[in-house]
Amino acid sequence: QVQLQESGPGLVKPSETLSLTCTVSGGSLRSYYWSWFRQSPGKGLEWLGYIYYSGGPYYSPSLKSRVSISVDTSKNQFSLKLSFVTAADTAVYFCARGPYSNYGYFEHWGQGTLVSVSS
Amino acid sequence: DIQMTQSPSSLSASVGDRVTITCRASQNIGSYLNWYQQQPGKAPNLLISAASSLHSGVPSRFGGSGSGTDFTLTISSLQPEDFATYFCQQSYSKPYTFGQGTKLEIK
Repeated sequence: QVQLQESGPGLVKPSETLSLTCTVSGGSLRSYYWSWFRQSPGKGLEWLGYIYYSGGPYYSPSLKSRVSISVDTSKNQFSLKLSFVTAADTAVYFCARGPYSNYGYFEHWGQGTLVSVSS
Repeated sequence: DIQMTQSPSSLSASVGDRVTITCRASQNIGSYLNWYQQQPGKAPNLLISAASSLHSGVPSRFGGSGSGTDFTLTISSLQPEDFATYFCQQSYSKPYTFGQGTKLEIK
């Protein structure tokens, strides 16, 4: 059974870069897409973007200028970077496998990690 | 972006009740609609894909229907573990977007 685990700082200063890593265990990154989401009381669940195991990221247009997703198949990890953060970027961040199949669903998720933006 | 609107935002019901949650898309999305359940402090859990296809391991009391712009999630007989928040998600076009959630509470 594939498992995902987010890791990274829980506190980031305004204007700095948020960096998170998702480690995948129990399965390979190969042949799948891998996504990042965030969830905050004010904005609900938000999909940030995905990357295919061999590269080729796609970013949500609302964050495209600030977000970067990369993959490291040798470590079975993929990562999120969000630059120039503000308090509005405070949220629980999730990684997930997908979108999966033609119907673009997300079957396996990490437990989520809270990132707060504050000085 | 496609806007997804769920109703109601919250719902109080009792064990054994039949409940229906509605999700409306701002444009025609065919059957590209998925439903998730989220317990407090946990990640979303896939219930239904392609509007009506029950995901493996999900109890048969959950059902989904609809196409185009209007969709429903029905729980035929509420169990204690069903009190949670439910989200719809469209996968017709990127960016993938979610409804704001329906919180199902015990009456």
